Amino acid sequence: QKEVEQNSGPLSVPEGAIASLNCTYSDRGSQSFFWYRQYSGKSPELIMFIYSNGDKEDGRFTAQLNKASQYVSLLIRDSQPSDSATYLCAVIWNRDDKIIFGKGTRLHILP
Amino acid sequence: EPEVTQTPSHQVTQMGQEVILRCVPISNHLYFYWYRQILGQKVEFLVSFYNNEISEKSEIFDDQFSVERPDGSNFTLKIRSTKLEDSAMYFCASHGQGNQPQHFGDGTRLSIL
Repeated sequence: QKEVEQNSGPLSVPEGAIASLNCTYSDRGSQSFFWYRQYSGKSPELIMFIYSNGDKEDGRFTAQLNKASQYVSLLIRDSQPSDSATYLCAVIWNRDDKIIFGKGTRLHILP
Repeated sequence: EPEVTQTPSHQVTQMGQEVILRCVPISNHLYFYWYRQILGQKVEFLVSFYNNEISEKSEIFDDQFSVERPDGSNFTLKIRSTKLEDSAMYFCASHGQGNQPQHFGDGTRLSIL
């Protein structure tokens, strides 16, 4: 059974601080990893994707992948109130094309 | 930037009626998907479509569901006899070659009365 696990939160972070969002997944065969942001009542919006072990940075966002530990994280530097949303971790496994989503972590940036 | 577009944004239907949800994927994309999200729950995969046929479907996608790509641009999801538990947001997604990220439409909120 392929599972993607996230802490549902809410995670409260002061404005300007670093928000750290974590995700674990069940199967070492997985291949592609995505972070989506979802505002209430809206569709998932792609933030980052990562395929290889290590860090990938894009502006204020850094995705970190550790396949040995089956762990992927998202860091948001200099958090802004507009970052308040639910962050969905998503995984595509080898030879599949569908995304398996985690339940999402609600992030609340405190002004 | 190209977008996945979905219509209608909100559909209200009586239980037992048929409903068709419409999507226009990004024009050069080849892989198409439907997902649903029941209020307060996670996004769930329904079906994937490639080369004019279903490539995978979940156990949610039973005989009351069907998908079609009737022309070169539209991708539709039909629910034949709607049930109360079909009330959810339905998202269409698409991507190009390989394991490129999927891009989502804004969704259709389906409310079954």
